[in-house]
Amino acid sequence: KAGVTQTPRYLIKTRGQQVTLSCSPISGHRSVSWYQQTPGQGLQFLFEYFSETQRNKGNFPGRFSGRQFSNSRSEMNVSTLELGDSALYLCASSQGEGLYEQYFGPGTRLTVT
Amino acid sequence: AQSVAQPEDQVNVAEGNPLTVKCTYSVSGNPYLFWYVQYPNRGLQFLLKYITGDNLVKGSYGFEAEFNKSQTSFHLKKPSALVSDSALYFCAVRDGNSNYQLIWGAGTKLIIKP
Repeated sequence: KAGVTQTPRYLIKTRGQQVTLSCSPISGHRSVSWYQQTPGQGLQFLFEYFSETQRNKGNFPGRFSGRQFSNSRSEMNVSTLELGDSALYLCASSQGEGLYEQYFGPGTRLTVT
Repeated sequence: AQSVAQPEDQVNVAEGNPLTVKCTYSVSGNPYLFWYVQYPNRGLQFLLKYITGDNLVKGSYGFEAEFNKSQTSFHLKKPSALVSDSALYFCAVRDGNSNYQLIWGAGTKLIIKP
């Protein structure tokens, strides 16, 4: 099976712009989670979707939003970008909730200038 | 409040020695416990998990972890460390009483010296 894919892999944006990141889960996986990883803050949970419903949400401002489509693919959007949004954004998929492990994509490296 | 603690930011071990990376947790319901590893310039990978049953679970690359309910711990262990084990290790727990929200530790950098 193909792994989790994320596009684009690298992105450079300027402050105030918005960005959309895409994630395609492993075939058959219905749950998708998003994380922000920075050297100083570690791994921060953004949101988790299961069957198109947001199941959990982390402590991020409303500028961060996401959605999941009927084919389990997911997108996350960041509006009004700030310098502090520069990070590696990771997507992970799993078969479901609870006892299932997550499989991570390679991430999208976002740089805000 | 739910939490996961990895008390050591960094662990240094000589190659061939046993290694332990510590993790303790606090959740209200039954915990589902996970270890993940992030090698330099590579993605996060699943190592092992505890759901129920035998307290000692075995995972990838010779790693194992022991679930201790009374101490609310899930320490990662390996009998003989390899230089290639050098990586960032994350402990995570799902709380069975809280919509299965996955809570992550801050990560422990493991350095194996030849």
